[in-house]
Amino acid sequence: ETGVTQTPRHLVMGMTNKKSLKCEQHLGHNAMYWYKQSAKKPLELMFVYSLEERVENNSVPSRFSPECPNSSHLFLHLHTLQPEDSALYLCASSQEGKGTQPQHFGDGTRLSIL
Amino acid sequence: GENVEQHPSTLSVQEGDSAVIKCTYSDSASNYFPWYKQELGKGPQLIIDIRSNVGEKKDQRIAVTLNKTAKHFSLHITETQPEDSAVYFCAASRGWVTGGGNKLTFGTGTQLKVEL
Repeated sequence: ETGVTQTPRHLVMGMTNKKSLKCEQHLGHNAMYWYKQSAKKPLELMFVYSLEERVENNSVPSRFSPECPNSSHLFLHLHTLQPEDSALYLCASSQEGKGTQPQHFGDGTRLSIL
Repeated sequence: GENVEQHPSTLSVQEGDSAVIKCTYSDSASNYFPWYKQELGKGPQLIIDIRSNVGEKKDQRIAVTLNKTAKHFSLHITETQPEDSAVYFCAASRGWVTGGGNKLTFGTGTQLKVEL
């Protein structure tokens, strides 16, 4: 799936670092999502953006800060993370409008917190 | 909120056999049910989906059935091949909700292994 591109693919950071994850979609979609995938747990929705406006903040700690400058780009800014934040972070996009449309995922950023 | 349970957690079949993965959901307002395949090092890839106004959908070797009354849906893979080996996730959604977006609630996944 090359429609949704995430960078970097892997990231190792200390608890005091600040870093950002980037997602870009080439599908012309109008909604973008951040999910967290931890071992042995279902994918968890973190944030939803529609037309660059955040419509869902699923009780995510403030150390995660999303940004959606336009409909093709989505960022997740990270600061002062905890070891339990180590996970695969997935970005997805969909074209919302009439009826429910499928979400298309990128390959994720594997984040490790030291 | 929605709760999706998925079984089995692991499934091993012989090449050419069929594989069935089952999911149940709790929210009767859910109306969209996608299935995703995730290979190692990759993100989830949509393989088939079904909406609540349909009871069954088929795409080549893959089929999905939905029983709204019992609130369960199943993925059927026929004539399995080694390349079908992956983790499969079911999900459920109410669709786009104002102020909430299109929230997919996922099952915990099934590791399918197709043996030669």
